[in-house]
Amino acid sequence: SQQGEEDPQALSIQEGENATMNCSYKTSINNLQWYRQNSGRGLVHLILIRSNEREKHSGRLRVTLDTSKKSSSLLITASRAADTASYFCATGLRSNDYKLSFGAGTTVTVRA
Amino acid sequence: EPEVTQTPSHQVTQMGQEVILRCVPISNHLYFYWYRQILGQKVEFLVSFYNNEISEKSEIFDDQFSVERPDGSNFTLKIRSTKLEDSAMYFCASSVTPSGANVLTFGAGSRLTVL
Repeated sequence: SQQGEEDPQALSIQEGENATMNCSYKTSINNLQWYRQNSGRGLVHLILIRSNEREKHSGRLRVTLDTSKKSSSLLITASRAADTASYFCATGLRSNDYKLSFGAGTTVTVRA
Repeated sequence: EPEVTQTPSHQVTQMGQEVILRCVPISNHLYFYWYRQILGQKVEFLVSFYNNEISEKSEIFDDQFSVERPDGSNFTLKIRSTKLEDSAMYFCASSVTPSGANVLTFGAGSRLTVL
């Protein structure tokens, strides 16, 4: 299966701390994306990293990709209560691929 | 900010009934998708749609399911003869290009409860 697997399943941190979650996948990919889902809501795209990239930043988010290890990490710096959500990685196999394969997600709780 | 809208937000139906979930994708997007998420589980791909035909479907998307773009704006998912295990959140999404090269914009979801 191409699906990403996130680790840890759940994470609880204090406001202001950093949150790191990991995603592993099984076969070669074209790109890897991270999405956020607030409870009972739709998924919101956060960041896309292509297979030829190693690191990307967007605001307080930092994503790394290690294609040799088939893994990615998402770092949220200086977390806020509003960052409380589930975070999913999703992989696209090819540039013309119609399907994204999602992992099970990491549930992040930021305590005030 | 353009958004994908889905209706209804929640539908309760009896087992065996037919359900139609509706979506209005972003107007300049060309690719449309349905995903579902059973409570507490992964988001699963169901089907993608481009140029008025299915471009890819998963093994979940069997004869019980169908999709249609009846006009220039709506994109629907029909579930015939619903089963208890069809209870899930169904997400519609759209993108400018195929999802492998671009990002998906998701709707807020339609929660389907089959009794």
